[in-house]
Amino acid sequence: DTEVTQTPKHLVMGMTNKKSLKCEQHMGHRAMYWYKQKAKKPPELMFVYSYEKLSINESVPSRFSPECPNSSLLNLHLHALQPEDSALYLCASSRQLWGDVSYNEQFFGPGTRLTVL
Amino acid sequence: DQQVKQNSPSLSVQEGRISILNCDYTNSMFDYFLWYKKYPAEGPTFLISISSIKDKNEDGRFTVFLNKSAKHLSLHIVPSQPGDSAVYFCAASVRGGADGLTFGKGTHLIIQP
Repeated sequence: DTEVTQTPKHLVMGMTNKKSLKCEQHMGHRAMYWYKQKAKKPPELMFVYSYEKLSINESVPSRFSPECPNSSLLNLHLHALQPEDSALYLCASSRQLWGDVSYNEQFFGPGTRLTVL
Repeated sequence: DQQVKQNSPSLSVQEGRISILNCDYTNSMFDYFLWYKKYPAEGPTFLISISSIKDKNEDGRFTVFLNKSAKHLSLHIVPSQPGDSAVYFCAASVRGGADGLTFGKGTHLIIQP
């Protein structure tokens, strides 16, 4: 299984809603990532989880709250979003060996297309 | 401050010919470089990568060249096929990719029959 899955594929939410995005991988990868991609722009890193611990937060507003319940799952909880948060949210994973700079490509899921009204 | 630059927004190549996509970077701490292919409304698909200790990596029709002194890398696709039409992103990372990737803006490759 070399796949990263993301649900839902599409999500429309109001600014007062609370919703969650889900990402799953069964490749035994120990690093997982959230990226945000706006139209005609490159993906931008949001969060990095390494061995289920948050290791990087790229100054993301607190209305985005990541969670890594176990090594296969990554969630992104959304609350009080703004219309400018509408984007494609991409999840990725990589092998990452602890304490070793080994070169590990990231595998991406298909993304969740989020629209905030 | 763009650390990874792809200066050609689009590139048109005849089917069967070589496609060359270019990428420049400014951060000398980058030690791992990757190319991804992306179709609209899909996630990026990993193509090929190269670490900073190498200057060339080959995988089938895809070859990536790294010139560290010029802070430049390129992706060669030969021969180009219609299915290669997509947006290609160059990405770079420190610590072998562990800290996430920095992407260029992408080049839209169009393969003409």
